[in-house]
Amino acid sequence: NAGVTQTPKFQVLKTGQSMTLQCAQDMNHNSMYWYRQDPGMGLRLIYYSASEGTTDKGEVPNGYNVSRLNKREFSLRLESAAPSQTSVYFCATSIRRGGYYEQYFGPGTRLTVT
Amino acid sequence: EDQVTQSPEALRLQEGESSSLNCSYTVSGLRGLFWYRQDPGKGPEFLFTLYSAGEEKEKERLKATLTKKESFLHITAPKPEDSATYLCAALPYNNNDMRFGAGTRLTVKP
Repeated sequence: NAGVTQTPKFQVLKTGQSMTLQCAQDMNHNSMYWYRQDPGMGLRLIYYSASEGTTDKGEVPNGYNVSRLNKREFSLRLESAAPSQTSVYFCATSIRRGGYYEQYFGPGTRLTVT
Repeated sequence: EDQVTQSPEALRLQEGESSSLNCSYTVSGLRGLFWYRQDPGKGPEFLFTLYSAGEEKEKERLKATLTKKESFLHITAPKPEDSATYLCAALPYNNNDMRFGAGTRLTVKP
């Protein structure tokens, strides 16, 4: 039971390059999220998916696209990377259990754009 | 605008010295208040969810409480292994955009 996994762990891109961050979960949760975390700031939501086939923008969606491929997988794509996208990216899932929401995070992808 | 503010930014304690971390929130109707622990280089680890003022949750040396404007994470007799960054987040009623605070970095010295 791996929980939430993310690949790659580290990535360096040049400005203008594209890449896709992968996230997979084996927890059978419907909801999945992509966040970015920058020094001195809280985690900020990029995109959210309530279920397979649905996605919604979060606080900071510009420059990103997402795909909810199936219940297990939720990918984040940077079409043309910019230095402002240097950050740590976290994927998360959530479930409502006994009336309470619980959210679980992956280990993160550390992205540097030069 | 929905926002969450945590204080202090950093806290250094001696082992066994109890203290509290503060989380102030402003959201358009609170669906849930969340606490996480984050170790360096790792993803946040879920600790608690609180829903209504007066609610309390406990886990080992940690106790979270909630009022209508704030939440507190009380740490009783901390140990060095409690050293981490503690994150607070508020989920509004009208959307799924959970707002996180910047965190409190806790260091417990032996």
